[in-house]
Amino acid sequence: AQSVSQHNHHVILSEAASLELGCNYSYGGTVNLFWYVQYPGQHLQLLLKYFSGDPLVKGIKGFEAEFIKSKFSFNLRKPSVQWSDTAEYFCASSQSYQKVTFGTGTKLQVIP
Amino acid sequence: NAGVTQTPKFQVLKTGQSMTLQCAQDMNHNSMYWYRQDPGMGLRLIYYSASEGTTDKGEVPNGYNVSRLNKREFSLRLESAAPSQTSVYFCASSEKTGEAYEQYFGPGTRLTVT
Repeated sequence: AQSVSQHNHHVILSEAASLELGCNYSYGGTVNLFWYVQYPGQHLQLLLKYFSGDPLVKGIKGFEAEFIKSKFSFNLRKPSVQWSDTAEYFCASSQSYQKVTFGTGTKLQVIP
Repeated sequence: NAGVTQTPKFQVLKTGQSMTLQCAQDMNHNSMYWYRQDPGMGLRLIYYSASEGTTDKGEVPNGYNVSRLNKREFSLRLESAAPSQTSVYFCASSEKTGEAYEQYFGPGTRLTVT
């Protein structure tokens, strides 16, 4: 079975700091990868996704992620975080259209 | 275009009571999903429906039943609620466009079982 590991459960940063959230997935074949964000009290929204092509994927709100196949990783990055980025971030992987496996989430707290 | 809607937003049940969580999407998606979200465990798939008329078990189906009433609606039923089912429940839908797809989520139902 697929699994997705997010190593940081809770990250605290000051505004303007750079962000990198780790994500590793278990499956070695073709895999599709996602990062979702959940703002306090809201539902999950897609930040970015990788299916094929350029391994550096750009998403909304200045986020990007890099797919490194040799490391089974899909880390999320942002050069300069804002207070409004305070949220929980979920990495997810999928081998097939129907089943998406989510990581346990990383709570990001940005201090003004 | 409301996307994915869920009712109710909040619910408190006593152990042994039953209830149905409702979900509807207006994006004409074929696939729909029910997840539960628990602290430190991320989202876990309860059931999904690949298309109207079909349903399949996910990772944590025990204690739940589902009905895909039509293409728009996918309900989740708890026949005899237990405290372990206290959670936030999210419905989602998706459609494949070429090779790409993503799941669209509803606002969630916060359920407490006492």
